[in-house]
Amino acid sequence: DQQVKQNSPSLSVQEGRISILNCDYTNSMFDYFLWYKKYPAEGPTFLISISSIKDKNEDGRFTVFLNKSAKHLSLHIVPSQPGDSAVYFCAATSRSNDYKLSFGAGTTVTVRA
Amino acid sequence: DGGITQSPKYLFRKEGQNVTLSCEQNLNHDAMYWYRQDPGQGLRLIYYSQIVNDFQKGDIAEGYSVSREKKESFPLTVTSAQKNPTAFYLCASRQGAIAEAFFGQGTRLTVV
Repeated sequence: DQQVKQNSPSLSVQEGRISILNCDYTNSMFDYFLWYKKYPAEGPTFLISISSIKDKNEDGRFTVFLNKSAKHLSLHIVPSQPGDSAVYFCAATSRSNDYKLSFGAGTTVTVRA
Repeated sequence: DGGITQSPKYLFRKEGQNVTLSCEQNLNHDAMYWYRQDPGQGLRLIYYSQIVNDFQKGDIAEGYSVSREKKESFPLTVTSAQKNPTAFYLCASRQGAIAEAFFGQGTRLTVV
């Protein structure tokens, strides 16, 4: 039973425009959400996170929005750059679950010049 | 500098053989994790350890074994009982109440 879902397997965006990645979750016990970026044959690198007590967290070009009532979060990247082309994973966890990460299937972002 | 080191980067195994993947961290993290990635899927948890000499099964532990004799080391053995071992294996570590886990560069295991 997949508790974290990324329903868009791929996203193509023009350089300089906004990339919006979406993620849905089913487990209401999750209290922390993370986004990871991954290049082929490499390990994921942490990008940005948000606690369930917040609805927005911003770090440079990256902003994560959380809508708890809808069990939905999104990652905005603006402006998109060629180096942003990668797979992005949404993950969720909770202190009560030993901070084990539950991952979505990932969204492949391609930034076009 | 601090980080997580996985070795080897590529590993080939014959069917019926056990193989051990190495994971070493110098971040002084208490918790360590093993995940598996298959094409088109997210990462799935195999085993995790919150402290030395203790570990717990994750969602897909069958056919795998681990040990945690030292804080910095968390090796994963893929046994012959694992029916579909070809995958990309990722080790991660985390500390305390900080939810962010840091990952190694991964090991690509191929059964030939």
